[in-house]
Amino acid sequence: EIVMTQSPATLSVSPGERATLSCRASQSVSSNLAWYQQKPGQAPRLLIYGASTRATGIPARFSGSGSGTEFTLTISSLQSEDFAVYYCQQYNNWPLTFGPGTKVDIK
Amino acid sequence: QLQLQESGPGLVKPSETLSLTCTVSGGSISSSSYYWGWIRQPPGKGLEWIGSIYYSGSTYYNPSLKSRVTISKDTSKNQFSLKLSSVTAADTAVYYCARRDRAIDYWGQGTLVTVSS
Repeated sequence: EIVMTQSPATLSVSPGERATLSCRASQSVSSNLAWYQQKPGQAPRLLIYGASTRATGIPARFSGSGSGTEFTLTISSLQSEDFAVYYCQQYNNWPLTFGPGTKVDIK
Repeated sequence: QLQLQESGPGLVKPSETLSLTCTVSGGSISSSSYYWGWIRQPPGKGLEWIGSIYYSGSTYYNPSLKSRVTISKDTSKNQFSLKLSSVTAADTAVYYCARRDRAIDYWGQGTLVTVSS
């Protein structure tokens, strides 16, 4: 099983600032990496797939990068609606595995 | 627009079998290249993939749950289902049904299942 780790666990950011979230895989997942956003009481929402492709309707302030074992999600200028928990997930191998999440909260 | 909706009991007794159904509208579960599956999230915790069924009927399960999980589909009703046997309090979670293209692109709203006597 591929183990996904995320850092930091919590990121405190002021509105308008840049946020950088990291995700690491225990072995290469190529570019088969997705990012999801989850707000309280809601299902996760797909933001990024293929490590860097934005899903339909996702604003350009969200960008993903990386391949192999190291990945980054960047939110260029945080809006109030972006404060949430973010999960990375690999789909290169079964079983599908998620990282533990990074909570982005208001500084 | 594709929509997924979970249904089933919100309370299950320990040692019994949890059964949930996902009804899909706005698209067919027989469409090629999609996986249909289940993910769960214990209260206040992260996401755990349970398993998936391919449009062809092939199934894939999380090894940690494989001995207790069965996922099946009913194409005539455009539904797929989850059965998890011998449940304990550790199986208390919000259960999501979802579609996977490459990543998981459509999710149901989720349903809370509590295991308690």
